[in-house]
Amino acid sequence: DADVTQTPRNRITKTGKRIMLECSQTKGHDRMYWYRQDPGLGLRLIYYSFDVKDINKGEISDGYSVSRQAQAKFSLSLESAIPNQTALYFCATSDGGQPRVGAFFGQGTRLTVV
Amino acid sequence: DAKTTQPNSMESNEEEPVHLPCNHSTISGTDYIHWYRQLPSQGPEYVIHGLTSNVNNRMASLAIAEDRKSSTLILHRATLRDAAVYYCTEVGGSEKLVFGKGTKLTVNP
Repeated sequence: DADVTQTPRNRITKTGKRIMLECSQTKGHDRMYWYRQDPGLGLRLIYYSFDVKDINKGEISDGYSVSRQAQAKFSLSLESAIPNQTALYFCATSDGGQPRVGAFFGQGTRLTVV
Repeated sequence: DAKTTQPNSMESNEEEPVHLPCNHSTISGTDYIHWYRQLPSQGPEYVIHGLTSNVNNRMASLAIAEDRKSSTLILHRATLRDAAVYYCTEVGGSEKLVFGKGTKLTVNP
């Protein structure tokens, strides 16, 4: 089983629909992140959480919300999807107490809003 | 907001060494330098990290400037499987994990 699992892997949805992307991890890490990737723009941080009670906005949080249901689960929601939210989304985890340890990424969710 | 700067793209020939640069103009004294790579159609994966000294592992080497304002990821003999986007970043205890646009490495046969 993967250390970081994202579901679904692919999703096509209509404009205005609510959609949730889920992320779960088995690393036992305290920190979790959601990134968005568009061609040529690298990885842009949407939201991050340092523990269950700590949620923070990243650089592009407008139009998104998150929920940290447990240490191992971090969900990203699009309340009313719009076409420019079509992108590849990645979840990642890291250990805040071990900055030498690398972060782990999921395989990504490809979201298309039509 | 990315704290590092990298060239957008680089090109190499197979079996030649590749030096991928990264600038860390605002790095703090306790931040680790991490490198990741993203193969086509995959999520990013950790490659190597360092603090002050040069580091080697089975994937690559990391050279860190004495003032820590720059680092270089070294692939000693590039293969076609090394074609990817490479990201450098800075990791500290209290900072969020942010990335820039990375360097897209093309390896020519």
